[in-house]
Amino acid sequence: DADVTQTPRNRITKTGKRIMLECSQTKGHDRMYWYRQDPGLGLRLIYYSFDVKDINKGEISDGYSVSRQAQAKFSLSLESAIPNQTALYFCATSDLSRGISTDTQYFGPGTRLTVL
Amino acid sequence: RKEVEQDPGPFNVPEGATVAFNCTYSNSASQSFFWYRQDCRKEPKLLMSVYSSGNEDGRFTAQLNRASQYISLLINSKLSDSATYLCVVNIDYGGSQGNLIFGKGTKLSVKP
Repeated sequence: DADVTQTPRNRITKTGKRIMLECSQTKGHDRMYWYRQDPGLGLRLIYYSFDVKDINKGEISDGYSVSRQAQAKFSLSLESAIPNQTALYFCATSDLSRGISTDTQYFGPGTRLTVL
Repeated sequence: RKEVEQDPGPFNVPEGATVAFNCTYSNSASQSFFWYRQDCRKEPKLLMSVYSSGNEDGRFTAQLNRASQYISLLINSKLSDSATYLCVVNIDYGGSQGNLIFGKGTKLSVKP
């Protein structure tokens, strides 16, 4: 089984709809991240969480919200989806318990979201 | 200045050729450096970390020049290496320690 899973894998929705993307991990990592990837723009950080009680905005948090329900679960919500939120969304985890030199991130398989 | 810059390519090379990817970063306090591989429509996966003394992993060689804030990846290519390669650098300040900045990637296509 994959260490980082995302649901759904694909979603088509309409403008104005509320959408939730979910991420679960079995790696036991404290840190979790949400990114979006657009052609030509690379990966951009939306939100990150260093532990269950810690939530931080990333580079492009406007229009998004997150919830860290447990160490293993981190969900991303689009309160009112708009077409320019059409993108590939990735969840990732990392473990800094052993120090900054081991901040490798491990990614889920991605969710392809289309907003019409 | 962008934080992590890479040549987007594409690099089209014959199998067996050695190809070099270059990357520059702007944050002189960065401490961790990586190359990730991303196949089309798939998630990025760690290829290798980059250490100050340079390091090899089979057909892959990574080098770091802190003075010039420059990272390189050399690949002795095989067909299966066709993918996009992401240069990745950590952020090392304030509460964002451990967060990573991703380059936009360099696309490699290896032909028979």
